[in-house]
Amino acid sequence: DAGVTQSPTHLIKTRGQQVTLRCSPKSGHDTVSWYQQALGQGPQFIFQYYEEEERQRGNFPDRFSGHQFPNYSSELNVNALLLGDSALYLCASSLVGTGGLYTEAFFGQGTRLTVV
Amino acid sequence: DAKTTQPPSMDCAEGRAANLPCNHSTISGNEYVYWYRQIHSQGPQYIIHGLKNNETNEMASLIITEDRKSSTLILPHATLRDTAVYYCIVVQIHAGNMLTFGGGTRLMVKP
Repeated sequence: DAGVTQSPTHLIKTRGQQVTLRCSPKSGHDTVSWYQQALGQGPQFIFQYYEEEERQRGNFPDRFSGHQFPNYSSELNVNALLLGDSALYLCASSLVGTGGLYTEAFFGQGTRLTVV
Repeated sequence: DAKTTQPPSMDCAEGRAANLPCNHSTISGNEYVYWYRQIHSQGPQYIIHGLKNNETNEMASLIITEDRKSSTLILPHATLRDTAVYYCIVVQIHAGNMLTFGGGTRLMVKP
């Protein structure tokens, strides 16, 4: 079982550019969540995708958008990058089980984004 | 805002039990207590969760008080590899499992 995989592991972008980050969930999982972790802070929830739709969203601007594909993999897109978007971006996957109960979330190792 | 309160840091001697406390006095009846840890520069790792009964797995034990207002994560025999930031989080697993991370407890296991 490969667990949650994210790509790329590191990325450097210029302010104003756009970036796409990718996530493959743990085998058997159908829900993907994205988190942003600034240096020295805890992860902050961006949004969650289930059945190819955004189900929950944290306090992030519309510059942050996402997509989930039929195979449950997901992308995070960030437009008009700001220096403050530099962070570790984490993907977590889980399963919506019986009765709508979500199983525990498993995290990938993250993508380190640096905006210069 | 995080609904939990944890001490910012703790030390533990290698081989001894590490007891990490968490206060969640405003927890709702349908919220679970989850524990994750994050070793430097890695993604958070799930440890254990519970609703009201004590739980144990291969990594740790979770003790939840009867009134559910606090809990303790116990690592029975801490090793140097257990040095990490430990997060206690309350989660409504019926409404998605969005995790609200607070500051966590930085556990330092010393030889």
